[in-house]
Formats: sequence, C-alpha cells, structure tokens
Amino acid sequence: QKEVEQDPGPLSVPEGAIVSLNCTYSNSAFQYFMWYRQYSRKGPELLMYTYSSGNKEDGRFTAQVDKSSKYISLFIRDSQPSDSATYLCAMSELASGTYKYIFGTGTRLKVLA
Amino acid sequence: DAGVTQSPTHLIKTRGQQVTLRCSPKSGHDTVSWYQQALGQGPQFIFQYYEEEERQRGNFPDRFSGHQFPNYSSELNVNALLLGDSALYLCASSSTGYSNQPQHFGDGTRLSIL
Repeated sequence: QKEVEQDPGPLSVPEGAIVSLNCTYSNSAFQYFMWYRQYSRKGPELLMYTYSSGNKEDGRFTAQVDKSSKYISLFIRDSQPSDSATYLCAMSELASGTYKYIFGTGTRLKVLA
Repeated sequence: DAGVTQSPTHLIKTRGQQVTLRCSPKSGHDTVSWYQQALGQGPQFIFQYYEEEERQRGNFPDRFSGHQFPNYSSELNVNALLLGDSALYLCASSSTGYSNQPQHFGDGTRLSIL
C-alpha cells in the first residue's frame, strides 16, 4: 500500500462547477499537507499549505484536512478552463531532522468551456 | 524576485553516459531538494541539501549524487545512465532546512535516455 493514495483521473467538469479532489494517507506521522498545481511541461506550483485539521480558504480554493480519517481534500469553486492541470497532494513528516515530502500520483483535471 | 531556475530545459543522452543538472534556488532559500517525476506519476524524492551537505536521501542508488555550493545552488549528477532514468527532474527550494517551510519548484529538466 502506498503511503499516499490519489485518484489519477482524468476528471472532466463543466466550467463553473465545484471540483473536489482528494487524497488518503496511511502514515500518522504526516504533519503538513500541501496541494500543488502542475501545468503540462511546467513544475508544480504551490496552491495551499496547511498544518492542522480543518479548512483553509484562499480565493476560489479551499483545503480541508481530516487527520482522524487520514483524508485531505481540495475544493475549487467556480472552476475555469484555466484550472485544467494536474493537481498533486503532498504531505511531509519530520525524519532525520528534516521534513521529507511524499507526493500523490496527481489527479488530471479538465474544465470544459 | 526570481523563482527556482533549472538548466538545461531538455537533455538527450545515451545509456551509460553521465549527466549533470543544475539548480538555482529561489532568493532567500538555503535548502535544495531534488525529485524525479516519471510520466503520469508524482515526484519521487531523491535527496536534500542544506549547508552544503546531504541531509536526507530517498530510495535511489548511488549513481545519483549531488552537491550544494556556498551560494546555495545545487547540482544533480547521474552516472551510468539507464533507460529508466528518463524522467522530469525537479529541483525544489525552501528556507531554513529544519522547519517545514513549503517547497517551491522549478520547471525541471526533461531527461531522455536513448
């Protein structure tokens, strides 16, 4: 079993829809949770960065963390064609005195105009 | 404010050759991590450098080695290239290696092995 599980998609939605992206994890030692967006032929771009359980909102994006269920989500409101990209969840744990990142496989999202 | 920059953008090598990839971290960052991203997969951690030393290493063979310079820039070296080394190699930087500041990525070097 992988430490981080993420549905690879692809996920196709109409413009204006609410998108829900999810990851589950098995390692209770994960402390920080991130969402990155990666456009084709580009590097991952940090979208959201959270520590505690609960919700964090930034514009059209809301990150949700449920540590008891080992489940994180990213919600995108009023989705736009420009949101079409691969979304990577990442989690970090303290190991050997530094934080080690583990990524999901990424979910490909396509927002249709 | 320049972000993370990587060079070259693309590289084509043959099996058995050696390659060096370069990374300049975001201004103000002192920690550099390297990742390998195969097609359709998430980034896999190779190693992290802080204060010119390798602080942590992922599950990669010794053919993968690195270096960090006093100006915080870094190199990734891969020896005896295999077909399976074809991937996007990403560099990420962050500040203050011992706290979990979020990592910022460059656009990567796409390495193709023939």
